[in-house]
Amino acid sequence: DAKTTQPNSMESNEEEPVHLPCNHSTISGTDYIHWYRQLPSQGPEYVIHGLTSNVNNRMASLAIAEDRKSSTLILHRATLRDAAVYYCILRRNAGNMLTFGGGTRLMVKP
Amino acid sequence: DTAVSQTPKYLVTQMGNDKSIKCEQNLGHDTMYWYKQDSKKFLKIMFSYNNKELIINETVPNRFSPKSPDKAHLNLHINSLELGDSAVYFCASRGLTRTRNEQFFGPGTRLTVL
Repeated sequence: DAKTTQPNSMESNEEEPVHLPCNHSTISGTDYIHWYRQLPSQGPEYVIHGLTSNVNNRMASLAIAEDRKSSTLILHRATLRDAAVYYCILRRNAGNMLTFGGGTRLMVKP
Repeated sequence: DTAVSQTPKYLVTQMGNDKSIKCEQNLGHDTMYWYKQDSKKFLKIMFSYNNKELIINETVPNRFSPKSPDKAHLNLHINSLELGDSAVYFCASRGLTRTRNEQFFGPGTRLTVL
């Protein structure tokens, strides 16, 4: 799987939007962009995924650059419960195992 | 009801022992996985398994072996435990239906080898 680059950590204030960036300049045409998050002392949790178009679900939005070399996970209103490590992952097809990078540790301040 | 469960939650044992961690999923999924999260918090895939195929990450020592008594279970057996095996182990599963792009993770088992 191609590599992703994320900032080590980010801070946000509660109730404000958060934009978590991810660079994946070596992405191939068949790679899906997945986001998972890991809350403290829990297993990873699926957040969202996309291929080319922007995606929205109840948890977040995913904005994908036109050249697909970067993407941004958007949390519209951060809450304290959103404090977690967020992982951006590229996956070639549904059967592939996930390759986690270092992720971004999001801290949310009240 | 817990979708993916693991037992035990904590496991403390001596070097050289053999131990097992159990994983069960009640989601009707076809594929299950084992991941290892080390002290630096990096998550690494160990195995992917469905009823047809076992895929092993080549970096996993052969002291580790997955055993699947049925589709809902994938247990992890570890022989001759070493200090470096101390980590949190996560089980996950994935189905082939609407949520086929999502892996559902268990709560983890923290293994400490003394």
